[in-house]
Parts: sequence; C-alpha cells; structure tokens
Amino acid sequence: GNSVTQMEGPVTLSEEAFLTINCTYTATGYPSLFWYVQYPGEGLQLLLKATKADDKGSNKGFEATYRKETTSFHLEKGSVQVSDSAVYFCALSSNTGKLIFGQGTTLQVKP
Amino acid sequence: NAGVTQTPKFRVLKTGQSMTLLCAQDMNHEYMYWYRQDPGMGLRLIHYSVGEGTTAKGEVPDGYNVSRLKKQNFLLGLESAAPSQTSVYFCASATPGQGIHEQYFGPGTRLTVT
Repeated sequence: GNSVTQMEGPVTLSEEAFLTINCTYTATGYPSLFWYVQYPGEGLQLLLKATKADDKGSNKGFEATYRKETTSFHLEKGSVQVSDSAVYFCALSSNTGKLIFGQGTTLQVKP
Repeated sequence: NAGVTQTPKFRVLKTGQSMTLLCAQDMNHEYMYWYRQDPGMGLRLIHYSVGEGTTAKGEVPDGYNVSRLKKQNFLLGLESAAPSQTSVYFCASATPGQGIHEQYFGPGTRLTVT
C-alpha cells in the first residue's frame, strides 16, 4: 500500500543554518506530494505541494522537488529562523483522494 | 472567516463515558475529515465525508462514529471511551475546486481518557 517515511527527529539547528528533512514514499500511480507544517498548539497548514514528477513546490523560503526516480520529496531551506520551529509532515494523496501522512519531524531552531 | 473550528479544545473522560466532538467549517467545503495524532505516528484518518449525509471509514474507525447532517458540521462520537483513545483529534475540510488534497485543519481537541 501507499506509505510515507520521514527522517527521525528532532532536528536541532542554529539560526541561519541549512535545513534538509528527508521524505520518501511508496505509491502506485502518480500521487501528488505535500509538506504540511504544524506550529506549537495549532493545526496543520499546507506549506507547499507538487503534483507531478520534477515539479518544485516552494513557499516561505522552503522548497521540495518531486523526484520520481528516487521516490523522494525532501524539504529544504537555505537559512532557517527561530520562527520555523515546528513539526513538519510529508504527505501524499492516495488514488481515493485521501492524504497519507508521514510520522512528522520536529525542527528546533536555536538563536 | 473562522475557517475550521473545533469544540471543545480539551476534555478529560473516564473509561466508559461518551462524548461528541464538533467540527464546523465556514468555507462551504464538500469534504470533511477526522484524524487522530499520536506521538511518532503522524496523523491517521478515522472517518471522512464527501458530502452532506455521507460518511466513510478511514484507517482507524473502530470505537468511533460520525455524522454529517449539515454540510458545515462533522461530528465525531465516542460511545464508550477507552484509554487507547487518548489523543489529539484534528478535523479538516477540503473542496474539489481547490484540490481535495489541500486540506484545511482545525486547531485540535486534546482528549485524555483515564
């Protein structure tokens, strides 16, 4: 079945460091891929998406490229800020229109 | 717009008690979802609805029931709460016009069953 695997957390970085959070998936067909972010005490918000191979999603300085050959959708940001501290979820859309989430990766950015 | 709201924000139940969680959205979305979030397990879909009067089971439906009598509301019921249902519950909504995968989430309900 379809599944999403994210790197284990927590990830702790200093402000202005480079961020990579790995995400790989298993799916039949051609799913869309998403990154959601959950700030402390809040629900999830869509951060970015990509709907087909080689698409790059971007938002708020974050980027992720849909790599079909490696079944990956790694999240990157060139310079993180304290305000980026949150839990990040990778997700894919199933062929029934439902989202399948990874387990989440906690990011802590220290000043 | 309030977006997606959830009531209550926190609740403590004793084993065997029942309760209903209310989700409301003001975006005229067709699709609504209930998830539970547990440490290290991401979000798991409990039940969902693709329109008023319709519901369907998700990944972990046992012990829960839902109803969608009005388009804007989606209720999640626990008939006899168990400690294994201690979790944070999130409601979400979406619409085919914007892409059914772009789900909008409520702030969550933290439920503890003792």
